[in-house]
Amino acid sequence: GAVVSQHPSWVICKSGTSVKIECRSLDFQATTMFWYRQFPKQSLMLMATSNEGSKATYEQGVEKDKFLINHASLTLSTLTVTSAHPEDSSFYICSADLGGGNQPQHFGDGTRLSIL
Amino acid sequence: LAKTTQPISMDSYEGQEVNITCSHNNIATNDYITWYQQFPSQGPRFIIQGYKTKVTNEVASLFIPADRKSSTLSLPRVSLSDTAVYYCLVGLGYQKVTFGIGTKLQVIP
Repeated sequence: GAVVSQHPSWVICKSGTSVKIECRSLDFQATTMFWYRQFPKQSLMLMATSNEGSKATYEQGVEKDKFLINHASLTLSTLTVTSAHPEDSSFYICSADLGGGNQPQHFGDGTRLSIL
Repeated sequence: LAKTTQPISMDSYEGQEVNITCSHNNIATNDYITWYQQFPSQGPRFIIQGYKTKVTNEVASLFIPADRKSSTLSLPRVSLSDTAVYYCLVGLGYQKVTFGIGTKLQVIP
């Protein structure tokens, strides 16, 4: 079945550091990928839609200069949290669309980001 | 974006059938209904998807009435490992979707 891989699965870093998270579609090409953030005991919140070869579309309230998204190929999208602070600590999850109108999104296993 | 409403939580004993209903009154004509399962510290895992009537796979069944304004996920003979949060989503895979609060299913021994 379709597999979406995220890396790293867990990262701890100091405040002010920039952190890059990778999302790869392993056995299919994904024109569109999505980035979510999930705080403890809450649901997933969509941050942005990542489109291959074009700029990402950010949801209201998500700072595009803070959360840089690059979707340079059909199998890789990256999310960079720039100058991360403790309030950016969260669980970040990506998903990819298999293509075709009725194909479901498949999700990565998430990245736990902890900013000290 | 179609909004979904689910019960916040459900409890069930092992071996029982569990039915989780989701309301999506403003579902669009082209929208599909997709259910996901999420364990703590993991991404959501696809369970089943349908458009109308009934869909069944090796792990679940999905019942969708003719008006498509609701759907019911049926899990046969649940086990402790089915304890998780279940999300109902409405839309198309290439479009952004809105996650509701999900249903936290607790399976009791």
